[in-house]
Amino acid sequence: SQTIHQWPATLVQPVGSPLSLECTVEGTSNPNLYWYRQAAGRGLQLLFYSVGIGQISSEVPQNLSASRPQDRQFILSSKKLLLSDSGFYLCAWSPGLAGVGELFFGEGSRLTVL
Amino acid sequence: AQKVTQAQTEISVVEKEDVTLDCVYETRDTTYYLFWYKQPPSGELVFLIRRNSFDEQNEISGRYSWNFQKSTSSFNFTITASQVVDSAVYFCALSQTGANNLFFGTGTRLTVIP
Repeated sequence: SQTIHQWPATLVQPVGSPLSLECTVEGTSNPNLYWYRQAAGRGLQLLFYSVGIGQISSEVPQNLSASRPQDRQFILSSKKLLLSDSGFYLCAWSPGLAGVGELFFGEGSRLTVL
Repeated sequence: AQKVTQAQTEISVVEKEDVTLDCVYETRDTTYYLFWYKQPPSGELVFLIRRNSFDEQNEISGRYSWNFQKSTSSFNFTITASQVVDSAVYFCALSQTGANNLFFGTGTRLTVIP
């Protein structure tokens, strides 16, 4: 069966510090991978998605970046965090296009920027 | 443009009561998909249902039922005989066919009181 894991689950970072959130999927090949951010009272916002290694599409301009160094690994990064980066970050995968099939979400990473 | 509105921010019901969560969507596309996800306190989003825009049949799954009405652009979710384990945030989402993004509503927090 397929599983998705992301870490760390919780982190507190000072403004201006770097960020790295990691997500891995197991039990499937060539998944589509996604990073969403959930801000309080604002639903989920798609940040990045990837349909293959090294292929990253950005949906929202910001100081975050994403990388996919391996087929089932998706990393969310920042060189310098802003206060507005605080939120709950969710990694997800789908076997095909998200508009066709369901998304399977990880456990989430709660980021607090102070 | 795609938009999903969940006007109910929070709902509280007593156990065994029925509850309906509203979802209204906007899209210019003729084909699209609608989704409902559940986010329990653990944070991970759990897929509940996907509905194709061509299929307006209502669906029932145990205590859950969904009412899709294109005429009013609504995709409401009803929980019958609610239980404490139903307490969660519920998200409605919309996607274009073939797209890689799901547009989420802001969610409805359901609290079932024992």
